Amino acid sequence: EPEVTQTPSHQVTQMGQEVILRCVPISNHLYFYWYRQILGQKVEFLVSFYNNEISEKSEIFDDQFSVERPDGSNFTLKIRSTKLEDSAMYFCASSDPLDRPNTEAFFGQGTRLTVV
Amino acid sequence: RKEVEQDPGPFNVPEGATVAFNCTYSNSASQSFFWYRQDCRKEPKLLMSVYSSGNEDGRFTAQLNKASQYVSLLIRDSQPSDSATYLCVVNKPPGQNFVFGPGTRLSVLP
Repeated sequence: EPEVTQTPSHQVTQMGQEVILRCVPISNHLYFYWYRQILGQKVEFLVSFYNNEISEKSEIFDDQFSVERPDGSNFTLKIRSTKLEDSAMYFCASSDPLDRPNTEAFFGQGTRLTVV
Repeated sequence: RKEVEQDPGPFNVPEGATVAFNCTYSNSASQSFFWYRQDCRKEPKLLMSVYSSGNEDGRFTAQLNKASQYVSLLIRDSQPSDSATYLCVVNKPPGQNFVFGPGTRLSVLP
């Protein structure tokens, strides 16, 4: 069964450092997403990406964040200068809307980011 | 009003019980509805989509009431393996963004 894969599974970084979280969405999907979940809190939308550009972003997704699809398979989230409050589980997801309702998103296993 | 609200939980039930989860959403233009389950420190996994006519998958039944902006999930004959957090997820028009509810945690005791 196709799946979304994320690397690394756990990343520890020092405050102020840049991190890149990597994702390989399901190959025939068109929409890609990043969500995050701070421990004990709900899953929050960060950004969606379609046709090689950002289609939507939340207030959380400020200038410190960027996304890129550097090739035909990878989808990355970069945090330029990490803060303690960026510590969270980051989930990548993809979906294949095909302009029909109830197109679900499939999630990767997540990258646990710990900023120290 | 929050975009997606769920019963606060947690629900602690004995094995074999029937459990109902409720969810309300604020955006009347939403068209896609899902229930995901999330095990501790794992990714959300799709449990089932929710169709306007209601749908059933084994022990799980989902209902949608668009007039009331209400989504429900019923689990019959609950099993310890059903223990997880259940997330109500709704699309946010006009784009393809999904909004998650805070989740309701379920513990089924053997």
